Amino acid sequence: GDSVTQMEGPVTLSEEAFLTINCTYTATGYPSLFWYVQYPGEGLQLLLKATKADDKGSNKGFEATYRKETTSFHLEKGSVQVSDSAVYFCALSESGANSKLTFGKGITLSVRP
Amino acid sequence: DGGITQSPKYLFRKEGQNVTLSCEQNLNHDAMYWYRQDPGQGLRLIYYSQIVNDFQKGDIAEGYSVSREKKESFPLTVTSAQKNPTAFYLCASRPLGQGSGYTFGSGTRLTVV
Repeated sequence: GDSVTQMEGPVTLSEEAFLTINCTYTATGYPSLFWYVQYPGEGLQLLLKATKADDKGSNKGFEATYRKETTSFHLEKGSVQVSDSAVYFCALSESGANSKLTFGKGITLSVRP
Repeated sequence: DGGITQSPKYLFRKEGQNVTLSCEQNLNHDAMYWYRQDPGQGLRLIYYSQIVNDFQKGDIAEGYSVSREKKESFPLTVTSAQKNPTAFYLCASRPLGQGSGYTFGSGTRLTVV
């Protein structure tokens, strides 16, 4: 079945540091890939997505590129802020009417001033 | 503004009781989903529904039940058969179609007392 693997956390960075959060996936078809962010006590918000190979999703300074050859969708940001502290989830959704969203376990990012 | 509303935000249940979590959306989305979130385990799919009066079990459906009598509503009942119901429950919806992102509610935290 489909699966998503995220790097182990938590991650703690200083403000303005470079961020990389690794995500790899296993899927039978050609999935769409997503990054979601969850702030404390809240639901998930879509951060960015990519629907086909070599697509780059971007939002709020975050970027991720759909790499089919390495089955990866790593999240990057050049300069993190304290307000980026949250839990980040990588997810995939197969094509088709009955598709479901499969999540990684999430990783907690803490950014210190 | 369109969105998903989950209620209540906090819910306490006594042992042996059934409780129902509400999820309402005014986005005109076809598909709706219930996920359970536990620390360190990411999100796991409980039930989902693509159309009115139809729903499918997810990965952890035992001890839960749902209904989809209206397009905008997808309530989840946590029954007394659910052995460990204390968790954060998230409802989501999306339009059907390749690559469409999911919109999440703000969640309900259920605690067994």
